[in-house]
Amino acid sequence: DTAVSQTPKYLVTQMGNDKSIKCEQNLGHDTMYWYKQDSKKFLKIMFSYNNKELIINETVPNRFSPKSPDKAHLNLHINSLELGDSAVYFCASSQGGNSYNEQFFGPGTRLTVL
Amino acid sequence: AQRVTQPEKLLSVFKGAPVELKCNYSYSGSPELFWYVQYSRQRLQLLLRHISRESIKGFTADLNKGETSFHLKKPFAQEEDSAMYYCALSAGSNYKLTFGKGTLLTVNP
Repeated sequence: DTAVSQTPKYLVTQMGNDKSIKCEQNLGHDTMYWYKQDSKKFLKIMFSYNNKELIINETVPNRFSPKSPDKAHLNLHINSLELGDSAVYFCASSQGGNSYNEQFFGPGTRLTVL
Repeated sequence: AQRVTQPEKLLSVFKGAPVELKCNYSYSGSPELFWYVQYSRQRLQLLLRHISRESIKGFTADLNKGETSFHLKKPFAQEEDSAMYYCALSAGSNYKLTFGKGTLLTVNP
């Protein structure tokens, strides 16, 4: 019954590897987001898709590539992982059309790069 | 550019004491302001938004456009209020949510 789900919950990998994180929402929302939470708990938007179209693309290294196969899914692929990529990555969704709409967050994926 | 400032990284109060978590914002237009909360080992969730003008779990927040502030207040803190609180601003056509750096509230017994 989970609204926004992410897999995996934990990801430990070596520097230089390529990895993906998956996100799915069953709320019928048309907008999905990826956020990065660093070790100091600072949350920053990375990407946003509305109806499978990229609408926010912050200054993120192009090693990060989001992919939205449909409105309910937004995956994050990371190439050539670096130590600084270690963080918690949160997926979120909302119903677009209004800036005051609530965003619903997933449980997060804790990525550790060794 | 939009910016949200939460000046206190940590805030510690005793149970039953009033609590105020500060939030100031910077945006040239009319923003939408929110407070999100993250309890230990739980996902981030909406606490309240200024447009609703409601009180959730005893918390209120008033948007002060003159002071560009949206402070979160509760008259009597409870231990279960201990959590990380984020002030956030949404503006522009892409509904981008900009978060402050968060305030970790600890309510001591």
